[in-house]
Amino acid sequence: DAKTTQPTSMDCAEGRAANLPCNHSTISGNEYVYWYRQIHSQGPQYIIHGLKNNETNEMASLIITEDRKSSTLILPHATLRDTAVYYCIVRVAETGANNLFFGTGTRLTVIP
Amino acid sequence: DAGVIQSPRHEVTEMGQEVTLRCKPISGHDYLFWYRQTMMRGLELLIYFNNNVPIDDSGMPEDRFSAKMPNASFSTLKIQPSEPRDSAVYFCASSPVPDTQYFGPGTRLTVL
Repeated sequence: DAKTTQPTSMDCAEGRAANLPCNHSTISGNEYVYWYRQIHSQGPQYIIHGLKNNETNEMASLIITEDRKSSTLILPHATLRDTAVYYCIVRVAETGANNLFFGTGTRLTVIP
Repeated sequence: DAGVIQSPRHEVTEMGQEVTLRCKPISGHDYLFWYRQTMMRGLELLIYFNNNVPIDDSGMPEDRFSAKMPNASFSTLKIQPSEPRDSAVYFCASSPVPDTQYFGPGTRLTVL
């Protein structure tokens, strides 16, 4: 699975959009981009995933560049409850090798 | 649905004792995963099951660790004998497909 690079930490003002970048320059054509987050003292939580088209759900939007070498997770109106570590994961979907490698992620702090 | 249920939430034991962690996955999910999280090593996949069958146990650290899934609604992770370096938060996750995993609240294990 391709390696990802994320900033160690970011701050965002409450109510503003939080844009979390992820670089995955070695991504293969059949690898998806997944985002999970982990709020303090809780288990990781699935947010969204995509292959090459932009995706949106009730939690967030995922923007993937045309060359697929990077992506951005967007939380449109960040709240204090969005303070968490956000993990960008790249892997082939629906394969027997099922390891989600979480890496170190980005620690997002939403500031009142 | 109550989500993934883990018990106990906290466990404190002495070195050499047997420890059993329990997990009830979300009903209908065919995949079950056991992870371990520490500050030093982050989140690591230990083992996962598909339809109650262990598929990949390459992450199990050593023979002291064993996992079972006797039926679709119950799994255990056992450590015998436990050692202080086993202290960590152990997460169970389940999913209907391999990628969108739903995590439980975790069991915080402390081995003295």
